[in-house]
Amino acid sequence: EVQLVESGGGLVKPGGSLRLSCVASGFTFKNAWLSWVRQAPGKGLEWVGRIRSTRDGVPPDYAAPVKGRFTISRDDSKSTLFLLMDNLKTEDTAVYYCAWDDKTIFDHWGQGALVTVSS
Amino acid sequence: QSVLTQPPSVSGTPGQWVTISCSGSSSNIGSNTANWYQQFPGTAPKLLISNNNQRPSGVPDRFSGSKSGTSASLAISGLQSEDEADYYCAARDESLHGPVFGGGTKLTVL
Repeated sequence: EVQLVESGGGLVKPGGSLRLSCVASGFTFKNAWLSWVRQAPGKGLEWVGRIRSTRDGVPPDYAAPVKGRFTISRDDSKSTLFLLMDNLKTEDTAVYYCAWDDKTIFDHWGQGALVTVSS
Repeated sequence: QSVLTQPPSVSGTPGQWVTISCSGSSSNIGSNTANWYQQFPGTAPKLLISNNNQRPSGVPDRFSGSKSGTSASLAISGLQSEDEADYYCAARDESLHGPVFGGGTKLTVL
């Protein structure tokens, strides 16, 4: 069974940083593309960024609102995906989901991690 | 403002047939396949339809998808109370170099 479990969410002040983790199981992690998708309170879904498999050798892609502030990385030895968020803004407040990205088809999702950016 | 346009809400009575539209452009639905996700309050989205009309294992055949030009549609036949949820369309956008979502449609079963 595919499982994705996020952690690391919490309250952070504007301008601060936070790192989310997503531990995966039930599939061959090293071959997988993975994305982060967020959902602001009461709003719709927004793609944040994607990391391809390490063997693809391609840098991660990011949505315009987070490019230059967010960094996606992975540790294949620990089947873990990361999202490092720097210079956080109040508009980054959202539930952040990690998802198995099958060429833009999000087959499986984690339960989400709430990030609140507030002073 | 979402790149893909969906009606904010639709409603129907049990047993009825309802559709949810998703309007895009040549850079997204017009040149890529559409996917649909179902989300219940407080839970993660779930893949409902992929590649315009493919149902993942476990999705009832009451749910179907279609695409024509730059628009896609989700149809639900034999509406049930447990279908009450938010539905999102999505597709890759070539000009934005990533997937885009619709704003979501809240389905109410009266």
